[in-house]
Amino acid sequence: DTAVSQTPKYLVTQMGNDKSIKCEQNLGHDTMYWYKQDSKKFLKIMFSYNNKELIINETVPNRFSPKSPDKAHLNLHINSLELGDSAVYFCASRYRENSPLHFGNGTRLTVT
Amino acid sequence: GDSVTQMEGPVTLSEEAFLTINCTYTATGYPSLFWYVQYPGEGLQLLLKATKADDKGSNKGFEATYRKETTSFHLEKGSVQVSDSAVYFCALRGGSQGNLIFGKGTKLSVKP
Repeated sequence: DTAVSQTPKYLVTQMGNDKSIKCEQNLGHDTMYWYKQDSKKFLKIMFSYNNKELIINETVPNRFSPKSPDKAHLNLHINSLELGDSAVYFCASRYRENSPLHFGNGTRLTVT
Repeated sequence: GDSVTQMEGPVTLSEEAFLTINCTYTATGYPSLFWYVQYPGEGLQLLLKATKADDKGSNKGFEATYRKETTSFHLEKGSVQVSDSAVYFCALRGGSQGNLIFGKGTKLSVKP
């Protein structure tokens, strides 16, 4: 049973489209995250979210928006996709501040 | 701000060789330190951690010691296996939100 699951695993789309990536965790964790991993494997945090607040990395374009229908889900919506958005996006969650992160297996987004 | 610097890869070793991946950090206070591993096509997994100075984290034959005096957390393994081939990320928990800050990752390839 996958603890943090993301769908889809692969997403190929054209510039200008709007797409969503879904994330669900069945660990009962309070905080969820989205990370972007570029082609050089560099990981950058995009958002962190718990039931109290959303924290946005100020470098993330406002075309990206997280949406959390409930505590177990944090979906990522991307509007007007650009070539530079191509990357692997990882969802992650943790129980509390000093707990380890649990990552999903990633969604490889390719924008053509 | 807080940051993590780790040696650039790729690192290529023969099976049973000794591994060291250097990691140094810059942070205010005394952050918790982590090593995460990413196997091909998967998300990151916690490998080991240390929460205070002189702590040694260990798992699966890997070790890292929290050195406050040198602000380092180098990863070591005495005898690597082909199955250790992966990307290794050093990270610290810091910043006002306590989020994980990752290094750029070091790709390890172990040849039989």
